[in-house]
Order: sequence, then structure tokens, then C-alpha cells
Amino acid sequence: DAKTTQPNSMESNEEEPVHLPCNHSTISGTDYIHWYRQLPSQGPEYVIHGLTSNVNNRMASLAIAEDRKSSTLILHRATLRDAAVYYCILRFTTSGTYKYIFGTGTRLKVLA
Amino acid sequence: DGGITQSPKYLFRKEGQNVTLSCEQNLNHDAMYWYRQDPGQGLRLIYYSQIVNDFQKGDIAEGYSVSREKKESFPLTVTSAQKNPTAFYLCASSHLGAEQYFGPGTRLTVT
Repeated sequence: DAKTTQPNSMESNEEEPVHLPCNHSTISGTDYIHWYRQLPSQGPEYVIHGLTSNVNNRMASLAIAEDRKSSTLILHRATLRDAAVYYCILRFTTSGTYKYIFGTGTRLKVLA
Repeated sequence: DGGITQSPKYLFRKEGQNVTLSCEQNLNHDAMYWYRQDPGQGLRLIYYSQIVNDFQKGDIAEGYSVSREKKESFPLTVTSAQKNPTAFYLCASSHLGAEQYFGPGTRLTVT
């Protein structure tokens, strides 16, 4: 199964943009890239997903490398509420079923 | 209000006892998933189900069992065969292949 690699932790100042990297060098052509975030003692929350093209939504942007071996989640203006663990996940298909492989995530600290 | 619920939030059991964790969704999702999370770690897949009366083992299914008799419900039983059952358990649901919606989790402590 393809896996993702993320830095263990990152820091950002409030109101500044944050770029969270993810490597997925063994990704296959039909694997989707998903991002979730998790606050302490809560379930993860969906952020964004994409296949090949860059994606934007109200929460964030997702930039996907041309070779799809890496991606970057972009928070345009970090707030204190964005402090969480961010997971880069591959959604792949096996035998007609969908599975999601979670990595260990990046703990984002936002400084006031 | 649509969503996914897990109960109870905290659960305490003695070693050697089976325990069942509840997961219910009213989102009309076909797929449901159970994950386990240990402190400081990511999520690991226990079992998943894409359709009623069918489910597949995930990466760490040993010591666990599930059933999917109704679309809305996917209970997880932690059996006495699970060597280290103390963990945070998360249930999720999705339309097939779409983003997952997670419940608030159940924190199980076995002593």
C-alpha cells in the first residue's frame, strides 16, 4: 500500500500563511490525496482532497506536484483555531473497495 | 441534524471482558469504518464495510469483530483476545470513495 510521509511538527505565526508538506512517492494513478485535521480528543475533520489538479475550498488550498509524488496543504491565514494535527491520506481502491491510509500527521502550532 | 454518533464517550472494562462500542450514522452513507488511535499516533484501520451484511478486515483486525445488519449501524466488539485494547476508537462513514465523516470517538480503558 502507498504511504505518506509528513514532518512531525511545524510552527506558524498567527495571520501568516502555512504550507504543510506531504510526500507520497509510491502513489498510484487512481489514488486520491485527502487531508484531515484533528483536535485533541476529537475525531478528525475533513479539510480537502484532490487527484491531479490544485484544489481550493473555504478552508484551504491543495497544491499537487505534477508527478503527484508530493503535495502541500496551504492555510492562507493561520488562526489559533487552526492548531491541530494535520493528516495527509491516500484514498485507494482495492478489490472494488475504498481504503484510507493515515500517516502519523504534522502537529501544527500557531503562535499568537 | 445529520451526523455520526459514538457511545459512550468513555468506557472502562476489566481485562478478559468483551465490550461493544456503538456507532450510528444518519447520513445515508454506504461505507463505514472503524479506526484505532494510540497516544501520539495516527489512525489504524480495524474493519470497514461498504454495504450492509458485508465487511472486510483492515490492518489490525485481530481481537476485534463487527457486524453490519443495518445501513445506519456498525458496532465494534473488542474481545478478550485483543492484547492491548486500551485506546481511542474512532468510527467514520462516507459515500463510497468520498470524504469521511468521523464520530467523536470512544476512549476505552481496560484494566
